[in-house]
Amino acid sequence: DIQMTQSPSSLSAFVGDRVTITCRASQSITRYLNWYQEKPGKAPKLLIYATSTLQSGVPSRFSGSGSGTDFTLTISSLQPEDFATYYCQQSYNTPRGITFGQGTRLEIK
Amino acid sequence: EVQLVESGGGLVQPGGSLRLSCAASGFTFSSYDMHWVRQVTGKGLEWVSGIGAAGDTFYPGSVKGRFTSSRENAKNSLYLQMNSLTAGDTAVYYCAREWGSGMDVWGQGTTVTVSS
Repeated sequence: DIQMTQSPSSLSAFVGDRVTITCRASQSITRYLNWYQEKPGKAPKLLIYATSTLQSGVPSRFSGSGSGTDFTLTISSLQPEDFATYYCQQSYNTPRGITFGQGTRLEIK
Repeated sequence: EVQLVESGGGLVQPGGSLRLSCAASGFTFSSYDMHWVRQVTGKGLEWVSGIGAAGDTFYPGSVKGRFTSSRENAKNSLYLQMNSLTAGDTAVYYCAREWGSGMDVWGQGTTVTVSS
C-alpha cells in the first residue's frame, strides 16, 4: 500500500502569510496527488487535483506542485476562511487503492 | 444540482450489520467511479471502498471481507454493506464522486455508531 505523510501536522499563521504544506508518498505516484480542505462539520472540499490543477471555483492563492514522491500545497496569502484542515490524497491506482495523508491543521496565530 | 445524499447510518451492536445508501442526482451516475470514505471524530480521512463505473470493487485491508460496496445505476444509487462491525468502525461515512482523479462531489455524511 502507498503511504502518505504530511508535514507539518499543525501550523499556526497570520492572515496574509504564505504557507506551504508538504506531502510525501512512500513510492512514486507520478502526479496523481490531490488536496482537500475540510472545515468542522462539513464534508471535505477538493481544492487541487493531479498535483496542480485548481478545481473550479477555488481561489488562485492556492497552488500545488511536485511529482514522483514529493508534493506541496501553497497558500500565497492566507485569508480568514482558509483556516481549516488540509489533506493530501494519492489516486495513483484509483479506484483500486486510495490513501490520504494524516492531515494538517492550519490555525490562526 | 449535482448532489449526493447518504442515509442508513445509526446505532448498531458490535458484530452487527448495517447498509448505507447514497442517492445521486444531477449527473450521469453510471459514468463515474464512486467511493466511500469515513472519518472517525477528531481523526483523519480513511478510504473505505472504491467502485468502478462497471461495478468492479476495491477495498483497503481494514475492511476487506467485511464491507461490500455495490451500485444500482438504474436507481442512481450506491450502497455499502457493512458486516461484523466493531467499535473501530464508528465514524461518519461519506460517499464521493471521482472526477479528474480527485473526489469532487461529497455527500453530507451519515453517522455510524457501533456500541453495545
